[in-house]
Amino acid sequence: IAGITQAPTSQILAAGRRMTLRCTQDMRHNAMYWYRQDLGLGLRLIHYSNTAGTTGKGEVPDGYSVSRANTDDFPLTLASAVPSQTSVYFCASSDGTQDRDEQFFGPGTRLTVL
Amino acid sequence: GQNIDQPTEMTATEGAIVQINCTYQTSGFNGLFWYQQHAGEAPTFLSYNVLDGLEEKGRFSSFLSRSKGYSYLLLKELQMKDSASYLCAVLDSNYQLIWGAGTKLIIKP
Repeated sequence: IAGITQAPTSQILAAGRRMTLRCTQDMRHNAMYWYRQDLGLGLRLIHYSNTAGTTGKGEVPDGYSVSRANTDDFPLTLASAVPSQTSVYFCASSDGTQDRDEQFFGPGTRLTVL
Repeated sequence: GQNIDQPTEMTATEGAIVQINCTYQTSGFNGLFWYQQHAGEAPTFLSYNVLDGLEEKGRFSSFLSRSKGYSYLLLKELQMKDSASYLCAVLDSNYQLIWGAGTKLIIKP
């Protein structure tokens, strides 16, 4: 069982380019999340999905879009990358049906926008 | 606004005990989580508190006081592998996790 996988592991991207970060989970979790983590700041929620077919905006959604066509996959797209999007991106998932809704994290994608 | 405060960095000695504090001000409260994150790795779940009191799990314990908006993570018999960042997170009224910036714990021999 892999849990959550993310791809790529790291990427250097020119500003203005389009980029999709991939996230796949095999735990049949209902909820999935995208966070960015920057030095000195806590994890910040970009977008989330409570169940397949639905998505919602988090704290910092501008410049990012997501889709949830099925339970397992939750890609994050940067339509036109800017240097301020340089960060480590974590995908996470949770059962979404319990009060104690522990989130499981993928290994992260380190993105540098030049 | 919503706010979670933790010390930025703490240093402790191998074999000792350390307490990492977390204070929060959030719109609603549906539980508090502690996660561990080693450098360059993903966060992993440590503990969950929703009622006041102490939850013990091996060398790690977590305490919650909802009236004071306060929690702490207690690590006993520190080992070098405990060197990591410890993240406090609160589930708010919308069931979204609000994260603190994390406390970097340095363990010295």
